[in-house]
Amino acid sequence: QKEVEQNSGPLSVPEGAIASLNCTYSDRGSQSFFWYRQYSGKSPELIMSIYSNGDKEDGRFTAQLNKASQYVSLLIRDSQPSDSATYLCAVTGNTGFQKLVFGTGTRLLVSP
Amino acid sequence: DADVTQTPRNRITKTGKRIMLECSQTKGHDRMYWYRQDPGLGLRLIYYSFDVKDINKGEISDGYSVSRQAQAKFSLSLESAIPNQTALYFCAVTPGGGTDTQYFGPGTRLTVL
Repeated sequence: QKEVEQNSGPLSVPEGAIASLNCTYSDRGSQSFFWYRQYSGKSPELIMSIYSNGDKEDGRFTAQLNKASQYVSLLIRDSQPSDSATYLCAVTGNTGFQKLVFGTGTRLLVSP
Repeated sequence: DADVTQTPRNRITKTGKRIMLECSQTKGHDRMYWYRQDPGLGLRLIYYSFDVKDINKGEISDGYSVSRQAQAKFSLSLESAIPNQTALYFCAVTPGGGTDTQYFGPGTRLTVL
């Protein structure tokens, strides 16, 4: 079982719709959770971090964390073509050095 | 913005050559990391450093070495490059203050022929 799992996609949504990206992780003791956006050939860019169960909103983005289900998601409201990218979920462990473990990413395509 | 720069941005080299990738940051962050990214495999940690005297192997350190010449500089070397080291290489930093968030440099695309 991979430590951090994401559906590779592509997830296709029309402009203006809500895009829902999901991530599951295997380490029950994980403490910190991150979503990065990565355009093709570019570096990962931090979108959101979340540490506690529940929702965290930042503009059009909402991160949702459920530690009991070992599940973290990212909702993008009013999706724009410029949101088309790969979204990486990253999770830290619970002991010692907080190494980030990345999922392989979900590719999102937003059509005009 | 962690002000991380990487040089070179693109490099083509031949099998067996020694190559160095450099990472610099301007804000004095303690923690620096090197990752490689391959299609379908995601980002994998090569080495990480908490300060000049603290360097640690990541999950895929074989074939690589690093040096932390100063707080601001963290270099990755491929002693004898091989084709399966063709990948995107990213340097990342973690600011201080208790966060474990990582911010990435622009990356180096390395091709080993």
